Amino acid sequence: DAGVIQSPRHEVTEMGQEVTLRCKPISGHDYLFWYRQTMMRGLELLIYFNNNVPIDDSGMPEDRFSAKMPNASFSTLKIQPSEPRDSAVYFCASRDRGLAEAFFGQGTRLTVV
Amino acid sequence: AQSVTQLDSHVSVSEGTPVLLRCNYSSSYSPSLFWYVQHPNKGLQLLLKYTSAATLVKGINGFEAEFKKSETSFHLTKPSAHMSDAAEYFCVVTPNSGGYQKVTFGTGTKLQVIP
Repeated sequence: DAGVIQSPRHEVTEMGQEVTLRCKPISGHDYLFWYRQTMMRGLELLIYFNNNVPIDDSGMPEDRFSAKMPNASFSTLKIQPSEPRDSAVYFCASRDRGLAEAFFGQGTRLTVV
Repeated sequence: AQSVTQLDSHVSVSEGTPVLLRCNYSSSYSPSLFWYVQHPNKGLQLLLKYTSAATLVKGINGFEAEFKKSETSFHLTKPSAHMSDAAEYFCVVTPNSGGYQKVTFGTGTKLQVIP
């Protein structure tokens, strides 16, 4: 398995634009997590899914953020409209219900100018 | 409720000397504990995990950690540091019971290895 795959690896966009981050979890994993990493706040859990259903989105900062998981092999995190303070590295992770640990993608570095 | 505290934000060691990265946790449930490593501009890689089996856990690259319930600690150690160990390390706690899957990350410890 290629692991958790995120795209794009880097994204630079202008303030006000819509940004979509993509994630392909490891095949067979039941859980999918979206995290945001910044220098100021460290790693924050934004939202997680179990069997494609959003379970806890209490970490989503505001209504500008939305996440979907239309099927077991794909998830998106959308920011609309984007703001400079959204600049961060966004990680996707997936986990098999039979394992305790999650596996992380390489991250998407988002810069909003 | 659960939390994890990494006691040092930066640790600096000389190559070939021991590494100690400290982690304390609190959890209302029997916890699972992990250490992840993040090299610059990379994702997080699992180093080792504790899930209520043996309290001394061995991981990759010569790292190990000991779960001490009485001290609520899960410190990461390595006998001899290598230059390639320079990275940021995260201690992570999650409830071991079924159902609630929330994971809590520590704030990270940056390890510097001096030649």
